[in-house]
Amino acid sequence: AQSVAQPEDQVNVAEGNPLTVKCTYSVSGNPYLFWYVQYPNRGLQFLLKYITGDNLVKGSYGFEAEFNKSQTSFHLKKPSALVSDSALYFCAVRDTGGGNKLTFGTGTQLKVEL
Amino acid sequence: DGGITQSPKYLFRKEGQNVTLSCEQNLNHDAMYWYRQDPGQGLRLIYYSQIVNDFQKGDIAEGYSVSREKKESFPLTVTSAQKNPTAFYLCASRTAGGTNEQFFGPGTRLTVL
Repeated sequence: AQSVAQPEDQVNVAEGNPLTVKCTYSVSGNPYLFWYVQYPNRGLQFLLKYITGDNLVKGSYGFEAEFNKSQTSFHLKKPSALVSDSALYFCAVRDTGGGNKLTFGTGTQLKVEL
Repeated sequence: DGGITQSPKYLFRKEGQNVTLSCEQNLNHDAMYWYRQDPGQGLRLIYYSQIVNDFQKGDIAEGYSVSREKKESFPLTVTSAQKNPTAFYLCASRTAGGTNEQFFGPGTRLTVL
């Protein structure tokens, strides 16, 4: 069975500093990985995905993620954080069974402070 | 959230009552999903449907039921058999293709009084 781990419940960073939100995964075969963001009382918004190809994936709002197969990681990054980036971030991996289901991590709350 | 609507945004229910949450999409997506979100637990899959008139149980289907009579609609019924129904419910849809991402609606917050 597949799984996703987000080891940090919360990440705090100062505005203008780089940010990293960590994600590790476990899945048989080639992983399909996704990052989503959720603002309070809202649905999830898709940020980016890794399917194959370049290990550095660029997404929405200046976010990018680095796929590392040897470390089974897919960390989300942004060179310069904004206060408006403060939100809940979810990493997900596509299930290897049918239905194109996703298994989500427990989420990481990002807080960007002035 | 564009293209997927969920109603109502907030829903209150008395214990012992069934309640139906609406999910509609105008994206012409084939597959639709229902998730439950609880603090600190991420999202857990309740039911999903890949085509009209067909659906499968997810990880936590007990106490829930769904129908998929139209491509655009995937309503979720929370029955009185669901032991702890208070949660935030999210609907998602996805177009055909194995690598495509899911798009989410704005969610319905259900509170059982």
